[in-house]
Amino acid sequence: SQELEQSPQSLIVQEGKNLTINCTSSKTLYGLYWYKQKYGEGLIFLMMLQKGGEEKSHEKITAKLDEKKQQSSLHITASQPSHAGIYLCGAEETSYDKVIFGPGTSLSVIP
Amino acid sequence: NAGVTQTPKFRILKIGQSMTLQCTQDMNHNYMYWYRQDPGMGLKLIYYSVGAGITDKGEVPNGYNVSRSTTEDFPLRLELAAPSQTSVYFCASSRSQRGYTFGSGTRLTVV
Repeated sequence: SQELEQSPQSLIVQEGKNLTINCTSSKTLYGLYWYKQKYGEGLIFLMMLQKGGEEKSHEKITAKLDEKKQQSSLHITASQPSHAGIYLCGAEETSYDKVIFGPGTSLSVIP
Repeated sequence: NAGVTQTPKFRILKIGQSMTLQCTQDMNHNYMYWYRQDPGMGLKLIYYSVGAGITDKGEVPNGYNVSRSTTEDFPLRLELAAPSQTSVYFCASSRSQRGYTFGSGTRLTVV
């Protein structure tokens, strides 16, 4: 079965700094999802990537998909305290299939 | 819009007790899912359903049961609670197996 790894496991950054979170799959990536979870709350959908080389942005968050490396990266520019939370990547096991999730990356932003 | 509603939000069970976690969605989504989230482990799929009357096992189904008698409801049943089932449980739904909407979660402690 497919496994997703995320790095780093946790991250503490100063407000205003840029950061990158990586998600690597053990198998071919189909639909790749990024979700954010505020502590003690549910998951909020950020974006979905489908094709190799695809890049999407939402406000100061950009995600890219590298199909050959079976990897996706999430980049936050000029981090703010509101970016703090757990970021989870999820991937479809096959195209349009149920989603499995990585272990998550915990992000803290220090004012 | 209510989206996906989970009840209860918190529950403490004694070993061997049983309970049902409720999940209701008002978006007329065909697909519904139950995940559990343990610290540092991401989300693990317990059961899922592709429509009323159809359910299937996910990654970690042991100790749980589900039913899907209506499109709206997807309850998760724990028959003999064990400490290993202490976790946060999330229900999610989707229209086309893409773009999940998550509930706010149920935090369960088994003592």
